[in-house]
Amino acid sequence: DAGVTQSPTHLIKTRGQQVTLRCSPISGHKSVSWYQQVLGQGPQFIFQYYEKEERGRGNFPDRFSARQFPNYSSELNVNALLLGDSALYLCASSLDLGRYGYTFGSGTRLTVV
Amino acid sequence: AQRVTQPEKLLSVFKGAPVELKCNYSYSGSPELFWYVQYSRQRLQLLLRHISRESIKGFTADLNKGETSFHLKKPFAQEEDSAMYYCALSGNRDDKIIFGKGTRLHILP
Repeated sequence: DAGVTQSPTHLIKTRGQQVTLRCSPISGHKSVSWYQQVLGQGPQFIFQYYEKEERGRGNFPDRFSARQFPNYSSELNVNALLLGDSALYLCASSLDLGRYGYTFGSGTRLTVV
Repeated sequence: AQRVTQPEKLLSVFKGAPVELKCNYSYSGSPELFWYVQYSRQRLQLLLRHISRESIKGFTADLNKGETSFHLKKPFAQEEDSAMYYCALSGNRDDKIIFGKGTRLHILP
């Protein structure tokens, strides 16, 4: 099993642009969550999806959106990028709703210039 | 409000000495508590979870509901324990995980 895979690994975008990040969970995992990690901080919760439905949303603006597909993979979209969106974006998957812990991907490093 | 506090940004401990990484939480209910670890150039990974009451790599963590703490302990530090450690909680009303800011553990030779 390849574990949780994320693409791309690195990305550079210009302010105002839009970005799509992708995540493939571990086979059999139905829950996917997205986290933003800024340097020096712990991961901050953005979204959780379970069985293709949004189960939770963190304190992020509407510029952030996500979805989960029938194969349980997920995309995170960020519109109108700001410099402050520069961060490591982590995807995590779990069998259930995460109460036994998540398995994390390596992340996508987004740099907004 | 849900909150996880790790008071130490950096903890330096000599090899062979005991380790204690502090974690305090705020949650109006019965949360599940976790410790995650990130070794250099590796992805964030689950170290242990309260619900399993397990010991991983010699680490244990005891939930103290009275003090709302979930400190991570190891009796004898090893050089390979050097890493970033994050305490986290998951609530019983929702399942998002709230992370602390992390403590960098540096094991001195």
